[in-house]
Amino acid sequence: NAGVTQTPKFRILKIGQSMTLQCTQDMNHNYMYWYRQDPGMGLKLIYYSVGAGITDKGEVPNGYNVSRSTTEDFPLRLELAAPSQTSVYFCASSFLYTEAFFGQGTRLTVV
Amino acid sequence: ELKVEQNPLFLSMQEGKNYTIYCNYSTTSDRLYWYRQDPGKSLESLFVLLSNGAVKQEGRLMASLDTKARLSTLHITAAVHDLSATYFCAVDRRGGGADGLTFGKGTHLIIQP
Repeated sequence: NAGVTQTPKFRILKIGQSMTLQCTQDMNHNYMYWYRQDPGMGLKLIYYSVGAGITDKGEVPNGYNVSRSTTEDFPLRLELAAPSQTSVYFCASSFLYTEAFFGQGTRLTVV
Repeated sequence: ELKVEQNPLFLSMQEGKNYTIYCNYSTTSDRLYWYRQDPGKSLESLFVLLSNGAVKQEGRLMASLDTKARLSTLHITAAVHDLSATYFCAVDRRGGGADGLTFGKGTHLIIQP
């Protein structure tokens, strides 16, 4: 049982480069989320989706984009990477009013 | 703006002792979630509290929710080293349940022999 799978686990980007963080869940959850975690700051919501074809901004969406073409997949796109995007990124999924299941995280460094 | 405040943010305690972590929030949400995170790892769900007065227990951990006071507590009984971790509380960001969570900054708990 895979749960929520994120790739890659680690990545170093140069300033101005772009990349896509992949997220897949096999629990048939409607709701999917992207969070970033900075040291000592808890998690902040970047984008979320309530179903295929529907996405919305969270607290800190600037510099990111998402898409949700299937129930299973929710990729996060970083355009023109900046040092401020150095963080650990977590994808999560859930049903309504239940606990969210988190992926293992992607540790991203922008240099 | 929704605020979720945990205290303490850092706690060092001895094995065998009892302690409580507090989570205050500024919205009228009826739902609150507790998660655990080990260093360098993902978040693991501990408790989902879905109504006022909800109390849940798992081993040496017990969580409760008082929606009127906008307060949740996570109580640790007879702490053991394996409970060393960072604990986060979180509430629905917009109250509707589908819009993601707002997290506290986390309580970094170290339990020493």
